[in-house]
Amino acid sequence: TQLLEQSPQFLSIQEGENLTVYCNSSSVFSSLQWYRQEPGEGPVLLVTVVTGGEVKKLKRLTFQFGDARKDSSLHITAAQPGDTGLYLCAGAQNKLSFGAGTTVTVRA
Amino acid sequence: KAGVTQTPRYLIKTRGQQVTLSCSPISGHRSVSWYQQTPGQGLQFLFEYFSETQRNKGNFPGRFSGRQFSNSRSEMNVSTLELGDSALYLCASSGSNYGYTFGSGTRLTVV
Repeated sequence: TQLLEQSPQFLSIQEGENLTVYCNSSSVFSSLQWYRQEPGEGPVLLVTVVTGGEVKKLKRLTFQFGDARKDSSLHITAAQPGDTGLYLCAGAQNKLSFGAGTTVTVRA
Repeated sequence: KAGVTQTPRYLIKTRGQQVTLSCSPISGHRSVSWYQQTPGQGLQFLFEYFSETQRNKGNFPGRFSGRQFSNSRSEMNVSTLELGDSALYLCASSGSNYGYTFGSGTRLTVV
């Protein structure tokens, strides 16, 4: 059983559309991190959110940490083919626990 | 600055053999964590080392072990390999709790 539940598991959209990935848990985390992984490579850190209710924006990506620090969301505006990849959320307690990931495919 | 380096990138071993994987963290990072990634289980935490001491351990059998050297380089060892050990093994280094840098991984295939 995953400590962090991600949804949806798969997402396929057309270039220019928006998408949201959710990460939920019953546990409280000191921080929550989002990573993107491409085939054959290690995950690459996108953002770390620390404060409940925090919202961070990186260009077309918006990350939100829930008020209770148990859940998070990743929103991508006007998705591009380069956004294709496996998106992973990870919660930090005394170690980093990962969700199962959301595979995002953006079609040109 | 150089990233996290894992060697080798690919490895094929036979059931019953043992294997040692290496990880060189980012210079100055004292924490090194190891993960196993499989299509069915996702990223599973193996263990974390900090200043040569194992700080945390995941739920893996004793066949999986690791160590960290004084220069923060880390190795993990898997003995008596099983087919189910086939996976991408990832190492990550961190200078804080606010982000981990992963290596490209070692793809282990057990035949």
